Amino acid sequence: EPEVTQTPSHQVTQMGQEVILRCVPISNHLYFYWYRQILGQKVEFLVSFYNNEISEKSEIFDDQFSVERPDGSNFTLKIRSTKLEDSAMYFCASRRLAGRDTQYFGPGTRLTVL
Amino acid sequence: TQLLEQSPQFLSIQEGENLTVYCNSSSVFSSLQWYRQEPGEGPVLLVTVVTGGEVKKLKRLTFQFGDARKDSSLHITAAQPGDTGLYLCAGDGGSTLGRLYFGRGTQLTVWP
Repeated sequence: EPEVTQTPSHQVTQMGQEVILRCVPISNHLYFYWYRQILGQKVEFLVSFYNNEISEKSEIFDDQFSVERPDGSNFTLKIRSTKLEDSAMYFCASRRLAGRDTQYFGPGTRLTVL
Repeated sequence: TQLLEQSPQFLSIQEGENLTVYCNSSSVFSSLQWYRQEPGEGPVLLVTVVTGGEVKKLKRLTFQFGDARKDSSLHITAAQPGDTGLYLCAGDGGSTLGRLYFGRGTQLTVWP
């Protein structure tokens, strides 16, 4: 069964460093998302991406964040200068169609900022 | 912002008992999804409910979407230790873009 994959599973970085989190969505899906979950808190939407551009972003997704689909398979989230409060699980999700179609989540990347 | 409130936050029961988890909002959702999440892993989809009043069954799990599409419930019959986990509800606000709004989750522990 196709699934969303994410790498790395765990990333440790120093405050102020840049990190790139990688995702491979399900191959025939067209809509891509990033969410994050700070320890003990709810899953929060960051950004949605369709047709090679950002469709919607939350207030969390400020100028320090960017997303890219560099080729036909990868979808990346870049944090330019990490802060301590960026420590969280980051989940990539994808879905095939618009409307009520289901979103499928990857296993997540645990980002720890020291 | 569309908020989803889940209750209870924690539930600890004995094997064989029945339980119900609730997911409530003042907002209407075009669909609602239930996920289960294990520690350190991503949410795994259990079911999507779309139509007001819809009931879906997945073995011992019964999911219901409220008539007004503002609330949902998950009922587990004869809970087993393997049901232990974090149960999340997530609502789709209805835009084409499909942003999901998550509840805080219900941490279920089933003791043998």
